[in-house]
Amino acid sequence: DQQVKQNSPSLSVQEGRISILNCDYTNSMFDYFLWYKKYPAEGPTFLISISSIKDKNEDGRFTVFLNKSAKHLSLHIVPSQPGDSAVYFCAASGFGGSNYKLTFGKGTLLTVNP
Amino acid sequence: GAGVSQSPSNKVTEKGKDVELRCDPISGHTALYWYRQSLGQGLEFLIYFQGNSAPDKSGLPSDRFSAERTGGSVSTLTIQRTQQEDSAVYLCASSLTGGVGTDTQYFGPGTRLTVL
Repeated sequence: DQQVKQNSPSLSVQEGRISILNCDYTNSMFDYFLWYKKYPAEGPTFLISISSIKDKNEDGRFTVFLNKSAKHLSLHIVPSQPGDSAVYFCAASGFGGSNYKLTFGKGTLLTVNP
Repeated sequence: GAGVSQSPSNKVTEKGKDVELRCDPISGHTALYWYRQSLGQGLEFLIYFQGNSAPDKSGLPSDRFSAERTGGSVSTLTIQRTQQEDSAVYLCASSLTGGVGTDTQYFGPGTRLTVL
Protein backbone atom coordinates (compact mmCIF):
# COMPACT_ATOMS: atom_id res chain seq x y z
CA ASP A 1 0.00 0.00 0.00
CA GLN A 2 1.37 3.33 -1.05
CA GLN A 3 1.57 5.83 1.76
CA VAL A 4 2.61 8.70 -0.51
CA LYS A 5 0.83 9.05 -3.81
CA GLN A 6 1.50 11.19 -6.83
CA ASN A 7 -1.42 10.44 -9.08
CA SER A 8 -0.22 12.36 -12.12
CA PRO A 9 2.66 10.56 -13.84
CA SER A 10 3.29 13.56 -16.08
CA LEU A 11 2.51 17.24 -16.50
CA SER A 12 3.21 19.57 -19.40
CA VAL A 13 3.13 23.36 -19.08
CA GLN A 14 4.16 26.36 -21.11
CA GLU A 15 7.19 28.40 -20.15
CA GLY A 16 6.21 31.30 -17.92
CA ARG A 17 3.03 29.65 -16.65
CA ILE A 18 2.45 28.04 -13.28
CA SER A 19 3.22 24.36 -12.67
CA ILE A 20 1.25 22.65 -9.91
CA LEU A 21 2.36 19.22 -8.76
CA ASN A 22 0.18 17.33 -6.32
CA CYS A 23 0.84 14.75 -3.65
CA ASP A 24 -1.44 12.87 -1.25
CA TYR A 25 -0.50 10.85 1.79
CA THR A 26 -2.39 8.37 3.88
CA ASN A 27 -0.49 8.24 7.15
CA SER A 28 -1.38 11.00 9.61
CA MET A 29 1.85 10.32 11.54
CA PHE A 30 3.92 11.93 8.80
CA ASP A 31 5.01 15.34 10.06
CA TYR A 32 7.60 16.52 7.56
CA PHE A 33 7.30 16.71 3.81
CA LEU A 34 9.85 17.29 1.09
CA TRP A 35 10.07 17.71 -2.64
CA TYR A 36 13.03 16.40 -4.61
CA LYS A 37 13.85 17.04 -8.25
CA LYS A 38 15.58 14.47 -10.43
CA TYR A 39 17.24 14.87 -13.81
CA PRO A 40 18.03 11.79 -15.91
CA ALA A 41 21.14 9.88 -14.82
CA GLU A 42 21.46 12.00 -11.69
CA GLY A 43 20.39 11.45 -8.11
CA PRO A 44 17.43 13.35 -6.64
CA THR A 45 18.24 16.81 -5.32
CA PHE A 46 16.42 18.46 -2.46
CA LEU A 47 14.15 21.29 -3.53
CA ILE A 48 11.93 22.47 -0.68
CA SER A 49 10.33 21.15 2.49
CA ILE A 50 7.56 21.91 4.93
CA SER A 51 6.85 20.96 8.51
CA SER A 52 3.36 19.92 9.54
CA ILE A 53 3.11 22.96 11.80
CA LYS A 54 3.04 25.17 8.72
CA ASP A 55 0.71 25.36 5.77
CA LYS A 56 3.00 27.18 3.35
CA ASN A 57 6.68 27.49 2.64
CA GLU A 58 8.14 29.63 -0.11
CA ASP A 59 11.58 29.69 -1.67
CA GLY A 60 11.95 31.87 -4.73
CA ARG A 61 9.85 30.47 -7.55
CA PHE A 62 8.89 27.41 -5.49
CA THR A 63 6.08 27.26 -2.96
CA VAL A 64 4.83 24.21 -1.13
CA PHE A 65 1.34 24.16 0.37
CA LEU A 66 0.22 21.67 2.99
CA ASN A 67 -3.41 20.81 3.79
CA LYS A 68 -3.22 18.47 6.77
CA SER A 69 -6.94 17.85 7.02
CA ALA A 70 -6.99 16.66 3.42
CA LYS A 71 -3.59 14.95 3.71
CA HIS A 72 -2.56 16.78 0.58
CA LEU A 73 0.38 18.89 -0.45
CA SER A 74 1.25 20.67 -3.63
CA LEU A 75 4.29 22.26 -5.19
CA HIS A 76 3.81 25.44 -7.19
CA ILE A 77 6.47 26.63 -9.58
CA VAL A 78 5.98 30.08 -10.98
CA PRO A 79 7.07 31.13 -13.49
CA SER A 80 7.99 27.75 -14.95
CA GLN A 81 11.22 27.55 -16.93
CA PRO A 82 12.46 24.91 -19.40
CA GLY A 83 15.24 24.02 -16.94
CA ASP A 84 12.56 22.93 -14.48
CA SER A 85 11.80 19.94 -16.71
CA ALA A 86 12.54 16.95 -14.50
CA VAL A 87 10.89 14.26 -12.39
CA TYR A 88 9.58 15.63 -9.10
CA PHE A 89 9.26 13.34 -6.11
CA CYS A 90 7.17 14.04 -3.06
CA ALA A 91 8.50 12.50 0.16
CA ALA A 92 7.34 12.28 3.76
CA SER A 93 8.92 11.40 7.07
CA GLY A 94 8.21 11.28 10.77
CA PHE A 95 6.23 8.08 10.98
CA GLY A 96 6.79 6.09 14.17
CA GLY A 97 9.78 8.11 15.24
CA SER A 98 11.77 7.04 12.19
CA ASN A 99 12.23 10.60 11.10
CA TYR A 100 15.30 9.77 8.98
CA LYS A 101 13.33 7.41 6.75
CA LEU A 102 11.84 9.08 3.70
CA THR A 103 8.78 7.57 2.03
CA PHE A 104 8.59 8.61 -1.59
CA GLY A 105 5.85 8.86 -4.17
CA LYS A 106 6.37 7.51 -7.68
CA GLY A 107 7.16 10.92 -9.12
CA THR A 108 5.68 13.29 -11.68
CA LEU A 109 7.53 14.09 -14.90
CA LEU A 110 7.26 17.82 -15.53
CA THR A 111 7.90 19.11 -19.03
CA VAL A 112 8.12 22.86 -19.51
CA ASN A 113 7.79 23.80 -23.15
CA PRO A 114 9.56 26.89 -24.49
CA GLY B 1 33.06 20.07 -2.14
CA ALA B 2 32.46 16.62 -3.61
CA GLY B 3 29.02 15.14 -3.47
CA VAL B 4 27.96 11.56 -2.88
CA SER B 5 29.57 9.22 -5.36
CA GLN B 6 28.60 5.68 -6.26
CA SER B 7 30.26 2.95 -8.23
CA PRO B 8 29.81 1.34 -10.60
CA SER B 9 27.31 3.51 -12.44
CA ASN B 10 26.01 0.47 -14.29
CA LYS B 11 26.24 -3.20 -13.48
CA VAL B 12 24.97 -6.08 -15.57
CA THR B 13 25.12 -9.48 -13.97
CA GLU B 14 23.74 -12.95 -14.43
CA LYS B 15 21.10 -14.41 -12.19
CA GLY B 16 22.66 -16.15 -9.22
CA LYS B 17 25.83 -14.05 -9.11
CA ASP B 18 26.78 -11.79 -6.20
CA VAL B 19 27.23 -8.06 -6.67
CA GLU B 20 28.74 -5.28 -4.57
CA LEU B 21 27.70 -1.67 -4.88
CA ARG B 22 29.79 1.09 -3.35
CA CYS B 23 28.89 4.45 -1.89
CA ASP B 24 31.22 7.29 -0.87
CA PRO B 25 29.26 9.78 1.20
CA ILE B 26 29.97 13.46 1.66
CA SER B 27 32.91 13.89 4.02
CA GLY B 28 31.77 14.48 7.59
CA HIS B 29 28.27 13.11 7.13
CA THR B 30 27.49 10.65 9.89
CA ALA B 31 24.28 9.30 8.41
CA LEU B 32 24.11 7.17 5.30
CA TYR B 33 21.11 5.63 3.56
CA TRP B 34 20.46 3.15 0.79
CA TYR B 35 17.32 3.32 -1.33
CA ARG B 36 16.32 1.57 -4.52
CA GLN B 37 14.06 2.58 -7.35
CA SER B 38 12.47 -0.14 -9.40
CA LEU B 39 11.00 0.67 -12.79
CA GLY B 40 7.96 2.91 -12.47
CA GLN B 41 8.21 3.08 -8.70
CA GLY B 42 9.27 5.63 -6.16
CA LEU B 43 12.39 5.37 -4.08
CA GLU B 44 12.17 2.58 -1.51
CA PHE B 45 14.13 2.80 1.75
CA LEU B 46 16.51 -0.08 2.37
CA ILE B 47 18.83 0.69 5.29
CA TYR B 48 20.08 3.53 7.48
CA PHE B 49 23.55 3.87 9.00
CA GLN B 50 24.52 6.14 11.86
CA GLY B 51 28.30 6.00 11.89
CA ASN B 52 29.21 2.36 11.33
CA SER B 53 26.05 1.01 12.93
CA ALA B 54 22.82 0.19 11.13
CA PRO B 55 19.96 0.86 13.57
CA ASP B 56 17.37 0.36 10.86
CA LYS B 57 17.65 -2.43 8.31
CA SER B 58 13.90 -2.80 7.97
CA GLY B 59 13.82 -2.08 4.25
CA LEU B 60 16.18 -4.85 3.15
CA PRO B 61 13.92 -7.11 1.06
CA SER B 62 15.53 -10.42 1.94
CA ASP B 63 18.51 -11.98 3.66
CA ARG B 64 20.32 -11.95 0.32
CA PHE B 65 20.83 -8.24 0.90
CA SER B 66 23.41 -6.93 3.33
CA ALA B 67 25.31 -3.70 3.84
CA GLU B 68 28.21 -2.47 5.85
CA ARG B 69 29.90 0.80 6.52
CA THR B 70 33.50 1.17 7.59
CA GLY B 71 35.37 4.06 9.15
CA GLY B 72 32.16 6.03 9.29
CA SER B 73 32.56 6.64 5.59
CA VAL B 74 32.36 4.22 2.66
CA SER B 75 29.45 1.81 2.49
CA THR B 76 28.99 -1.35 0.47
CA LEU B 77 25.65 -2.93 -0.39
CA THR B 78 25.98 -6.60 -1.26
CA ILE B 79 23.35 -8.66 -3.02
CA GLN B 80 23.95 -12.39 -3.01
CA ARG B 81 22.50 -14.82 -5.54
CA THR B 82 20.92 -12.02 -7.54
CA GLN B 83 17.45 -12.46 -8.97
CA GLN B 84 15.81 -10.66 -11.87
CA GLU B 85 13.53 -8.77 -9.48
CA ASP B 86 16.64 -7.18 -7.97
CA SER B 87 17.04 -5.13 -11.15
CA ALA B 88 16.68 -1.49 -10.13
CA VAL B 89 18.59 1.71 -9.57
CA TYR B 90 20.28 1.63 -6.17
CA LEU B 91 20.71 5.07 -4.66
CA CYS B 92 22.86 6.09 -1.74
CA ALA B 93 22.34 9.26 0.27
CA SER B 94 24.12 10.89 3.17
CA SER B 95 23.23 13.57 5.66
CA LEU B 96 25.01 15.43 8.40
CA THR B 97 23.31 14.00 11.48
CA GLY B 98 20.49 11.62 10.58
CA GLY B 99 17.48 13.67 11.65
CA VAL B 100 15.09 15.30 9.23
CA GLY B 101 14.20 18.96 9.54
CA THR B 102 17.27 20.83 8.45
CA ASP B 103 19.21 17.60 7.93
CA THR B 104 18.94 17.24 4.17
CA GLN B 105 19.67 13.92 2.51
CA TYR B 106 22.02 14.31 -0.45
CA PHE B 107 21.80 11.60 -3.07
CA GLY B 108 24.39 10.04 -5.31
CA PRO B 109 23.72 9.35 -9.00
CA GLY B 110 22.87 5.73 -8.35
CA THR B 111 23.97 2.34 -9.67
CA ARG B 112 21.75 0.80 -12.31
CA LEU B 113 21.71 -2.95 -11.70
CA THR B 114 20.46 -5.27 -14.41
CA VAL B 115 20.12 -8.97 -13.63
CA LEU B 116 19.82 -11.12 -16.73
